[in-house]
Amino acid sequence: AQSVAQPEDQVNVAEGNPLTVKCTYSVSGNPYLFWYVQYPNRGLQFLLKYITGDNLVKGSYGFEAEFNKSQTSFHLKKPSALVSDSALYFCAVRDRGSATNKLIFGTGTLLAVQP
Amino acid sequence: GAGVSQSPSNKVTEKGKDVELRCDPISGHTALYWYRQSLGQGLEFLIYFQGNSAPDKSGLPSDRFSAERTGGSVSTLTIQRTQQEDSAVYLCASSSPEGTVNTGELFFGEGSRLTVL
Repeated sequence: AQSVAQPEDQVNVAEGNPLTVKCTYSVSGNPYLFWYVQYPNRGLQFLLKYITGDNLVKGSYGFEAEFNKSQTSFHLKKPSALVSDSALYFCAVRDRGSATNKLIFGTGTLLAVQP
Repeated sequence: GAGVSQSPSNKVTEKGKDVELRCDPISGHTALYWYRQSLGQGLEFLIYFQGNSAPDKSGLPSDRFSAERTGGSVSTLTIQRTQQEDSAVYLCASSSPEGTVNTGELFFGEGSRLTVL
């Protein structure tokens, strides 16, 4: 079975500091990995994905994520946080060998960036 | 349309009533998904459509929940005899046809917030 863990309910960071939002996953095969962001009262917006190739993936708004197969992790990072980055972040996984194509999401991490 | 459209955006109903939630996916997207978002629960998968068929409905929480899709486009999620625990935001997403370059990125609507009194 596929699963995603986001161990932190909330991450607090000061504006201008680097941020990391953690994600670990479990799949039986090889994963596709995704990060989505949700602003208040909005749907989810795609940030970035890992499919294959370079383990460091760059996405929207200056975010990046590193795929680490040995640690089964896909942490989201940004070198310098902005107040406008404050939102709910979801990590998701899809087993590329799965017969169904659903994404399994983590429980989300609320990122709060203080001015 | 330009994006995934869901209606109603907000629905308040009384316990025991039936509700229908509608999703209009991005034109040409053959895959359609329903998720439920509850406080502290993350996103819970409900059902997946490929065209008009539902090869994975494993997430539907009870037989009070059903969904259909017609014409490979619009989908309706129906909840019968609503209960207070059904209160949540119901999100619909779609994705483009499977192929060598499609990697399953989902495009989400803004959701339908259901409140059962």
